[in-house]
Parts: sequence; structure tokens; C-alpha cells
Amino acid sequence: QVQLKESGPGLVAPSQSLSITCTVSGFSLTSYDISWIRQPPGKGLEWLGVIWTGGGTNYNSAFMSRLSISKDNSKSQVFLKMNSLQTDDTAIYYCVRDAWFAYWGQGTLVTVSA
Amino acid sequence: EIVLTQSIPSLTVSAGERVTISCKSNQNLLWSGNQRYCLVWHQWKPGQTPTPLITWTSDRYSGVPDRFIGSGSVTDFTLTISSVQAEDVAVYFCQQHLHIPYTFGGGTKLEIK
Repeated sequence: QVQLKESGPGLVAPSQSLSITCTVSGFSLTSYDISWIRQPPGKGLEWLGVIWTGGGTNYNSAFMSRLSISKDNSKSQVFLKMNSLQTDDTAIYYCVRDAWFAYWGQGTLVTVSA
Repeated sequence: EIVLTQSIPSLTVSAGERVTISCKSNQNLLWSGNQRYCLVWHQWKPGQTPTPLITWTSDRYSGVPDRFIGSGSVTDFTLTISSVQAEDVAVYFCQQHLHIPYTFGGGTKLEIK
């Protein structure tokens, strides 16, 4: 059974960094790419970036300067780190499998507030 | 960046009606690797995560009922539900995977009268 589950801090202060872990099961990270997608409240979906099966990454240029995605295949975990958060980074963050986004985590709400 | 536009944000129809949802791209979505269009339709039901309905513009994803039909080419794409059922209440959005950043349409919310 394919599952993805995000775990994040919930609340982040402005200018601080965000770290979210996506733990997957039912498949190997050496076989499937993982993207990070977010949805700000009342807004549409934004694709943030992807980590490929081989470990390479691609990022949305809008976030490239402050976003990093990495993974640990042996632990079946993918990591998102975003720096210099502002209030408009408040969103539900999802990890999602493959280019067709066939499987999603349940999402983790990140609120940026003092 | 490829921009996908779904011009109708919401629809309210009666069960049994035929529904058409449009998605327009500002760029050709043709992938030269297989001569197919990199357009996916997703269904997002309340309280659930999105699931793909249609891949490569017109291929129904595993388990998707045949009332869901994808069509289109180049920059204009359509999702048709031939006879809407009560369980089809959801937001439908398109997504392209031709170029990074992958992008999404704004979504069309379908409700039943």
C-alpha cells in the first residue's frame, strides 16, 4: 500500500527556516520521483520542486534561492528545507509521488507567524 | 513558465447531465518523445487528496469510470463527464508535466443541484 506522510513544525516565525520530512512506504525512493507541492489558503497549487530517483533535483525558479530537497533512500524519507520564510509561505505542504501526482501525503499545515 | 487557465471556477449541474471542463495552455504541451500531450486531469474530492483521472490528455487512469473522457491537443484540452453522478462532486484541475516548473490550472468546482 503506497503511503506518504509529511511531518512538519506547524508554526514557523518569520525569517526562520522550515524543515519538513516526508516518510514513504509501499515503494522505494530509488524507483519513484517525489515532488513537493503547496497550497496557500484560498489559493491554487504551487509546485516547489522534485527529487529524482537518482538524487538529482529541480526547483521552481521562484523558490530556487531558498529551497533545498534531499532524501535518504535507506530511511524512505524525503526532506524539504526552505529558508527565510514570510507570511505568504503559510500553506499546506504536500509530498507527492511521480510526475502524474498519483499519490499524495495528507499534507502538513505550516503557518508563518510571530 | 507554462500557464494553464480554467476559465470556469465552478459549475452546478443536475445528476445525469453532461459536463465539459476546459483547460487552456499558453504553450504547446506536445512531448516529442512519444508525440503525446503532457496534460493530466485530477479530481479532488472534499476531505481527500487529489487523484489522477486522465493522463496524456486522454488515457483514463486505473479504475476511472468511462464516463470521464479527456480530449484536446496543442493548447486546448477538455475533460468531459458524460453523465454526472452525485459522487462526482469535486474540484477538477488540469496539470502539465512537459516543462519544469510543473503547473496547474486553477480548478473547476463541480456541484450537483
